[in-house]
Amino acid sequence: QVQLVQSGAEVKMPGASVKISCKASGYTFSDYSFHWVRQAPGQGLEWMGWISPASGATRYPQQFQGRVAITRDTSASTVYMELSSLTSEDTAVFYCAREDRFGSGWYYYSYWGQGTLVTVSS
Amino acid sequence: EIVLTQSPATLSLSPGERATLSCRASQSISINLAWYQQKPGQAPRLLIYHGTNRATGIPARFSGSGSGTDFSLTISSLEPEDFAVYYCQQRYNWPDTFGQGTKVEI
Repeated sequence: QVQLVQSGAEVKMPGASVKISCKASGYTFSDYSFHWVRQAPGQGLEWMGWISPASGATRYPQQFQGRVAITRDTSASTVYMELSSLTSEDTAVFYCAREDRFGSGWYYYSYWGQGTLVTVSS
Repeated sequence: EIVLTQSPATLSLSPGERATLSCRASQSISINLAWYQQKPGQAPRLLIYHGTNRATGIPARFSGSGSGTDFSLTISSLEPEDFAVYYCQQRYNWPDTFGQGTKVEI
């Protein structure tokens, strides 16, 4: 069965960077794309970016451009999300999510990791 | 960027009642819309994809409708486990965007 297991909680100082991993199992890693989603405490879901494990191509929303980097290690079936220049506003739970293909080519987030809490505090 | 506006913010209902949640897009998104359910301390779960299709294992009491800019999620008869927050998401255009959520509470 498909599983996405994320790395553990982190506490970071303002200005630092954090790198979170998401290890996939139960299927062929390169077959499906991944996304990262941020959720601040008590808030909604915010898309942070996309990666194709097959090609390594990425896409980011404008508000995170230059501050986020999503990478993958195909040999480890793992995707990573690194967020730099952290501020207290980055305190959140970060989720990885894997797409599934439906019908004739629709893609939605079928599988989610358990989430990783990042706390930014001095 | 496509903005999704969900209403109401909170829906207070009792088990057995019908829930209707709304999601309005700032421009037409055809039927490229999904609904997710999130319970406290858990990751979101896909309920409905491409406007009207139930994901695997989702009970028939959940249904999605709409196209263009106006969409609805209906829960025909609320079960205790349905009290949660529901988000809509559009995948018509980059960037992917989510609504701000509707909390269904007892």
